[in-house]
Amino acid sequence: GAVVSQHPSRVICKSGTSVKIECRSLDFQATTMFWYRQFPKQSLMLMATSNEGSKATYEQGVEKDKFLINHASLTLSTLTVTSAHPEDSSFYICKVQQYFGPGTRLTVL
Amino acid sequence: DQQVKQNSPSLSVQEGRISILNCDYTNSMFDYFLWYKKYPAEGPTFLISISSIKDKNEDGRFTVFLNKSAKHLSLHIVPSQPGDSAVYFCAASVSSYGGATNKLIFGTGTLLAVQP
Repeated sequence: GAVVSQHPSRVICKSGTSVKIECRSLDFQATTMFWYRQFPKQSLMLMATSNEGSKATYEQGVEKDKFLINHASLTLSTLTVTSAHPEDSSFYICKVQQYFGPGTRLTVL
Repeated sequence: DQQVKQNSPSLSVQEGRISILNCDYTNSMFDYFLWYKKYPAEGPTFLISISSIKDKNEDGRFTVFLNKSAKHLSLHIVPSQPGDSAVYFCAASVSSYGGATNKLIFGTGTLLAVQP
């Protein structure tokens, strides 16, 4: 069965709105979760590391004020895309240990 | 700078034959490698991994080979099945960065098509 879940699986929003994506670890507690994104026909790129009880660590080129990460518990991390724009449209996927969630397709109109 | 490379964007194989997917890396610090299978609009599915202390790891139809001196790894699927058709990504990490399966650097993927 699934080890990692994500919600929602897809979301369409208007430009300028904020979107929250949840990632849940179903089988074990995770002090660290990872957020990746994949643009069409490209590879998966790590965006940030979500740390339970402390600030997230962002990769170079990823705006921390735009992509807010909250690791509220040992089984839940949320990624909020603030003031989304069409260029933020992508496939966002979280990872716990070596297991990926099913991903969230974000489309910003 | 692409640290993990999959130079074949696609591969077509007959059902029942062997599929060989290749991956090269440039960072000699990488010491843990993973292969993932991915369908469109889904998250990657973990297949198999290998630590740099080994040169081969086998799990059912999947075998991963690691050649450290050549900085090359490959995934063998035998026998190939139509259900194996998907994009395959290799990924690498440095285990000292907080754990072997944490920060992964991905290749660009190879689309495998297994013909019935």
